[in-house]
Amino acid sequence: GAVVSQHPSWVICKSGTSVKIECRSLDFQATTMFWYRQFPKQSLMLMATSNEGSKATYEQGVEKDKFLINHASLTLSTLTVTSAHPEDSSFYICSARWADTQYFGPGTRLTVL
Amino acid sequence: DAKTTQPNSMESNEEEPVHLPCNHSTISGTDYIHWYRQLPSQGPEYVIHGLTSNVNNRMASLAIAEDRKSSTLILHRATLRDAAVYYCILKNSGGSNYKLTFGKGTLLTVNP
Repeated sequence: GAVVSQHPSWVICKSGTSVKIECRSLDFQATTMFWYRQFPKQSLMLMATSNEGSKATYEQGVEKDKFLINHASLTLSTLTVTSAHPEDSSFYICSARWADTQYFGPGTRLTVL
Repeated sequence: DAKTTQPNSMESNEEEPVHLPCNHSTISGTDYIHWYRQLPSQGPEYVIHGLTSNVNNRMASLAIAEDRKSSTLILHRATLRDAAVYYCILKNSGGSNYKLTFGKGTLLTVNP
């Protein structure tokens, strides 16, 4: 139980384009989901908290107009990286809260050329 | 959330037990101790969590010191698939803040 999926698992895009990443809780409903970013050899950094039916809460230093988060249903949250640039290349990981525990997706590797 | 301190790296041999330590001297009475691990190029995986009593599950055991200022994650028989970064995280049980703050964790290497 408590499985979280992400799609796509990897994506390569050109600079200036937008990329959407999906996060789904497969066997439970999640009112709260989280988006993290991880650069090579570094730990996970929380970008934002996504609550179903309301606006996301962004961490300090994360541009909300660049990283658009939508949590329209209890099983789906999406992260859109708008006008992507090479410095946005990273490993993006989502998690979904169930009871007192977070369950993580497998991650999405974004490469911006 | 209170801070945790873990060794940067540890090494073990296959099929031997591994004890991964975590210090959390500023832990509060309502902080749960959570352990996650992250295999290369994957998202973190929940391992175990506890409050005061020792906990066991199919993956590992969690031993919590009586004063709760430290804890130890125990892998009873390490396998090559246990090579990962292990994160010890404190999570307050109160309020609506469900965020997890990841530190650097411990990189566990398992030798065949």
